[in-house]
Amino acid sequence: KAGVTQTPRYLIKTRGQQVTLSCSPISGHRSVSWYQQTPGQGLQFLFEYFSETQRNKGNFPGRFSGRQFSNSRSEMNVSTLELGDSALYLCASRAFRGSYGGTAYEQYFGPGTRLTVT
Amino acid sequence: GDSVTQMEGPVTLSEEAFLTINCTYTATGYPSLFWYVQYPGEGLQLLLKATKADDKGSNKGFEATYRKETTSFHLEKGSVQVSDSAVYFCACPNAGGTSYGKLTFGQGTILTVHP
Repeated sequence: KAGVTQTPRYLIKTRGQQVTLSCSPISGHRSVSWYQQTPGQGLQFLFEYFSETQRNKGNFPGRFSGRQFSNSRSEMNVSTLELGDSALYLCASRAFRGSYGGTAYEQYFGPGTRLTVT
Repeated sequence: GDSVTQMEGPVTLSEEAFLTINCTYTATGYPSLFWYVQYPGEGLQLLLKATKADDKGSNKGFEATYRKETTSFHLEKGSVQVSDSAVYFCACPNAGGTSYGKLTFGQGTILTVHP
């Protein structure tokens, strides 16, 4: 089974621009979560989507937004980029329900998109 | 709120040495616990998990036991290899919003193994 894929892998943008990152989950996984990883703040949760609805949101400004499509693929958008948005953005997918019918908690991560804002 | 605390790093060991990376958590309820590993330039890989108290997760020679009484999930390996050099993260899923789709991570522990 193919893993989580993210595109693009690397991106360089200028302050004030906007950017869209894409994530394709593992086949059959219906939940997608996004994380920001920086040396100073570590791994921070951005948001989670399931069935095209945002289910959970972290403490990030409104410049950070996301969406999910009917095929479970997800995108996140950052508008009006700031230097501090430079980070590795990680997408993770989970099944939402395990094979036993209970909650599936484990998430599987993609390789990330390295965003550099200059 | 829920939180995860890992031992301060980095950790430097010689090949075949014993490894322990401490992790403690505070959480609402007792969900699963995870260890993830991140190799340079890559995303996170799920290393092992435990789904309930007293469960032991294991994979690739690594082990961790979910200790409810001490709220701990320490990672251990009896004999490390150079290829184990990576960053290790302890993680706990949180109840929030309408799902458990948020993982709270420890700060990460950099492990370097020398030949």
